[in-house]
Amino acid sequence: AQSVTQLDSHVSVSEGTPVLLRCNYSSSYSPSLFWYVQHPNKGLQLLLKYTSAATLVKGINGFEAEFKKSETSFHLTKPSAHMSDAAEYFCVVSRNSGGGADGLTFGKGTHLIIQP
Amino acid sequence: EPEVTQTPSHQVTQMGQEVILRCVPISNHLYFYWYRQILGQKVEFLVSFYNNEISEKSEIFDDQFSVERPDGSNFTLKIRSTKLEDSAMYFCASSYQETQYFGPGTRLLVL
Repeated sequence: AQSVTQLDSHVSVSEGTPVLLRCNYSSSYSPSLFWYVQHPNKGLQLLLKYTSAATLVKGINGFEAEFKKSETSFHLTKPSAHMSDAAEYFCVVSRNSGGGADGLTFGKGTHLIIQP
Repeated sequence: EPEVTQTPSHQVTQMGQEVILRCVPISNHLYFYWYRQILGQKVEFLVSFYNNEISEKSEIFDDQFSVERPDGSNFTLKIRSTKLEDSAMYFCASSYQETQYFGPGTRLLVL
């Protein structure tokens, strides 16, 4: 079994300041972890993924995340927020059974608000 | 860049009616999925499909639901007799291996 906890339902930051979106996971397996972003009235876009290679993962639009097994965390960061980053962010875990077909388990999402 | 497409973008139906949601996955992908997101709730896995059969399904995916890949490009989700609680955004996804790419979704409203 696996689960994902996104610790903040809303995060508000000023434009140009750092972003931190927190995620903890629980998995009976060695999981793969993802962050997806959903802009208003849009689909889910993959930001980045961790699949047991480097623990610091770089994604699109300047985002990165660090896998910390000891803390079972996969927090998403960005050094400087931009207005276009305002969206819903989902931390996601996969069973990583080695192929495809595994259903993803989503966190409840964190709504990122960027203040001008 | 190839992407997953879904039709229709919005569908309104009466309770008890059948609906078919359509998806065109990315062309060289092997695995196909359906998820739903009820308004204000988290995205939930429904079913995965590989090699023309269901690989995995959640407890949500009961006998009212079915999936099909009728030809080489489409992947469909059928709800036989819709209920009010089926109102949600339905996302299709596809993958070549593990990383899943999502379509824009179909918003289903059951009245």
